[in-house]
Amino acid sequence: QKEVEQDPGPLSVPEGAIVSLNCTYSNSAFQYFMWYRQYSRKGPELLMYTYSSGNKEDGRFTAQVDKSSKYISLFIRDSQPSDSATYLCAMSASQSNNDMRFGAGTRLTVKP
Amino acid sequence: DTGVSQNPRHKITKRGQNVTFRCDPISEHNRLYWYRQTLGQGPEFLTYFQNEAQLEKSRLLSDRFSAERPKGSFSTLEIQRTEQGDSAMYLCASSLVLGAFFGQGTRLTVV
Repeated sequence: QKEVEQDPGPLSVPEGAIVSLNCTYSNSAFQYFMWYRQYSRKGPELLMYTYSSGNKEDGRFTAQVDKSSKYISLFIRDSQPSDSATYLCAMSASQSNNDMRFGAGTRLTVKP
Repeated sequence: DTGVSQNPRHKITKRGQNVTFRCDPISEHNRLYWYRQTLGQGPEFLTYFQNEAQLEKSRLLSDRFSAERPKGSFSTLEIQRTEQGDSAMYLCASSLVLGAFFGQGTRLTVV
């Protein structure tokens, strides 16, 4: 079993839809949780990071962490075609991120 | 541009040749990481520097791989005697506190 599991999709939604992206993990030591967006042939771009459980909102993006269930989510409201990309979850037990583990990524397409 | 810079962006090499990649992190970031990413997978950790000290190396980093960060600023990743299985995107990232910022990567193709 991988430490971080993420449904690779692909996920296709119409413009304006609410998108829900999820990851599960097995290592209870993870405390820092991140979401990255990666466009084709580009490096990952940090979208959000959270510490421990709870919610964090940034514009159209909301990150949720449920440590009791070892489950994290990213919600995208009012999705746009420019949101079409691969979304990677990442998590770490230490603040130094040297133990950061990534999911395989979910490929999202938002259709106009 | 104040982001993480990687050079070259693409490299095609023959099997058995040596290659070297360079990473220039965000200037105030003291932590620097190298990752490798293959198609359809998330990045896999290779190695980590805090300032000039290499503090951790993954088991993925065989003896053919070496990384340096001589003055705690830019870093290089060298692969000796390249193999076809080394074909991947090599990503560099840097951070100060939470959340690592990635460069655009160097795509290596070994033919």
